[in-house]
Amino acid sequence: NAGVMQNPRHLVRRRGQEARLRCSPMKGHSHVYWYRQLPEEGLKFMVYLQKENIIDESGMPKERFSAEFPKEGPSILRIQQVVRGDSAAYFCASFGTVAQANTEAFFGQGTRLTVV
Amino acid sequence: SQQGEEDPQALSIQEGENATMNCSYKTSINNLQWYRQNSGRGLVHLILIRSNEREKHSGRLRVTLDTSKKSSSLLITASRAADTASYFCATDSGAGSYQLTFGKGTKLSVIP
Repeated sequence: NAGVMQNPRHLVRRRGQEARLRCSPMKGHSHVYWYRQLPEEGLKFMVYLQKENIIDESGMPKERFSAEFPKEGPSILRIQQVVRGDSAAYFCASFGTVAQANTEAFFGQGTRLTVV
Repeated sequence: SQQGEEDPQALSIQEGENATMNCSYKTSINNLQWYRQNSGRGLVHLILIRSNEREKHSGRLRVTLDTSKKSSSLLITASRAADTASYFCATDSGAGSYQLTFGKGTKLSVIP
């Protein structure tokens, strides 16, 4: 959905560098998901954030990955010391209320991360 | 099979034919949704069916849900070349879970 903006659309990083992926939710939405899609796979849940709070990070790798959704500005997914296995498409989805979490979430176009 | 697993993995049909994709899941659900993803693009929500519904229509799309078999099907009638995409089902288990569980998808090719 064009309302959820992710940037950059494509990101190339060398092994060991940091990747920062941004997601601006739809106007009025204060809830954000991040999902990862490996090649030829479906999307896998990573983290659910509300403004200034991490609600569920059960899908996040324990090391090198972090996410935030500050009071002002976009949600950021940060991957430190990237490895080739981090190459994937990362999607953000936003929704307005908890009741809409699994029914009216809107997905962005994704950021395709390539680690070389 | 994993939650929300689609079959077939790939489907190739002629324009004008109908396309049927199936999805199976393991745990009980609140809702099941179907999404389309064009190559290299984001997901587009197609249709949501609730666990107490058996069938739902939207334009050329028809979705069925059989909770006793834990399965759903997506039928696209009178397919068009523009329907070429990957189709994913996604389930949520309710009970306070905010996660959607996606299958690996069915890659549909509609040949003009």
